Amino acid sequence: DTGVSQNPRHKITKRGQNVTFRCDPISEHNRLYWYRQTLGQGPEFLTYFQNEAQLEKSRLLSDRFSAERPKGSFSTLEIQRTEQGDSAMYLCASSLDGLQLGGYTFGSGTRLTVV
Amino acid sequence: GDSVTQMEGPVTLSEEAFLTINCTYTATGYPSLFWYVQYPGEGLQLLLKATKADDKGSNKGFEATYRKETTSFHLEKGSVQVSDSAVYFCALSEGNDMRFGAGTRLTVKP
Repeated sequence: DTGVSQNPRHKITKRGQNVTFRCDPISEHNRLYWYRQTLGQGPEFLTYFQNEAQLEKSRLLSDRFSAERPKGSFSTLEIQRTEQGDSAMYLCASSLDGLQLGGYTFGSGTRLTVV
Repeated sequence: GDSVTQMEGPVTLSEEAFLTINCTYTATGYPSLFWYVQYPGEGLQLLLKATKADDKGSNKGFEATYRKETTSFHLEKGSVQVSDSAVYFCALSEGNDMRFGAGTRLTVKP
């Protein structure tokens, strides 16, 4: 297992287009998290899955954002009608024990640039 | 709500210097505390953690002690190396999400 994998690494899109990112967590991890990181800031929580169930969503996750985790394995994050303010690094993380015990394992992220 | 405040950077040190990066937190309960490190072009890596008051997390020569009385979790290393150059994030968690500080960029010069 090579850890948490995110694809693509980079995405440049025109404003108004839809984009989709994929995250493959560590296989035995049942929890999966999406974060957004803008330049010079720490990651901000977007949403969280336990197996296939999406249990929590941040107010940052507007109705243009949707995340899925079919079958409790990989996850996708889709942004519809992208705006320049969506430009950021999108990070995926996974964990097994629950947050407080082990912390998260993060992927390398997908950097989105909206032009 | 819960929050983390980190020492502003950037921090520039010479090799073998002593490092301290300050981190204080605000929380309603008893959070777990973490330090993550992000090397250029990479994701965040867990550096160390502490789950209760007075716990000391340590890894790769870095240490941080969970101080409930001062709500702090300062990161220290006795002798930094060029390879320690990265961005360091303090974080806390009380539930199903994690709150991060803004990060402190460390540059170590030979």
